[in-house]
Amino acid sequence: DAEITQSPRHKITETGRQVTLACHQTWNHNNMFWYRQDLGHGLRLIHYSYGVQDTNKGEVSDGYSVSRSNTEDLPLTLESAASSQTSVYFCASSESGREETQYFGPGTRLLVL
Amino acid sequence: SQKIEQNSEALNIQEGKTATLTCNYTNYSPAYLQWYRQDPGRGPVFLLLIRENEKEKRKERLKVTFDTTLKQSLFHITASQPADSATYLCALDPSGGYNKLIFGAGTRLAVHP
Repeated sequence: DAEITQSPRHKITETGRQVTLACHQTWNHNNMFWYRQDLGHGLRLIHYSYGVQDTNKGEVSDGYSVSRSNTEDLPLTLESAASSQTSVYFCASSESGREETQYFGPGTRLLVL
Repeated sequence: SQKIEQNSEALNIQEGKTATLTCNYTNYSPAYLQWYRQDPGRGPVFLLLIRENEKEKRKERLKVTFDTTLKQSLFHITASQPADSATYLCALDPSGGYNKLIFGAGTRLAVHP
């Protein structure tokens, strides 16, 4: 069965370190998204991609970057981790086109000390 | 400013009753709205989509309404069960069909036996 996976599931890091969160989907979806979820804020879009070599900034992109070298993967990099980036991160994918639903990964819980 | 609002307080109901969750939005004119379910420690899962020209959509014990004049969607679970306990998120696409969803913060539902 097709799926979307994230790794690691839990990560503890220190302020200033570079961190990369992996997202891999086997749906063969063109669209991929990264969100962060914090209490009281719901899901907020960080970056998204509509296909290979395409990346776009979302609502809360400062301090984050992504790259899309193939259809299956969209890694999220925190260039220099800050305590404000402690959060739960979700990756999602969808088909191209209108009214497509998003399929979410299980999430990565990141703690920045 | 653009906002999506859901009841921030948890909704507690007795098993067998109908749960009604509210999603209000301002300064959007979405062509459709989606509802997702999220269990603790997991990613959201798609439940229903309703278009702007549809007043109501049903799926088994779930019913969604969409009032574009009131800028409101209601999500109903009839004959609720403890297994329905979860957080329910509404989402809309302000990007004109590019599937870039904006999510509400969600409402936690607790169904008691």
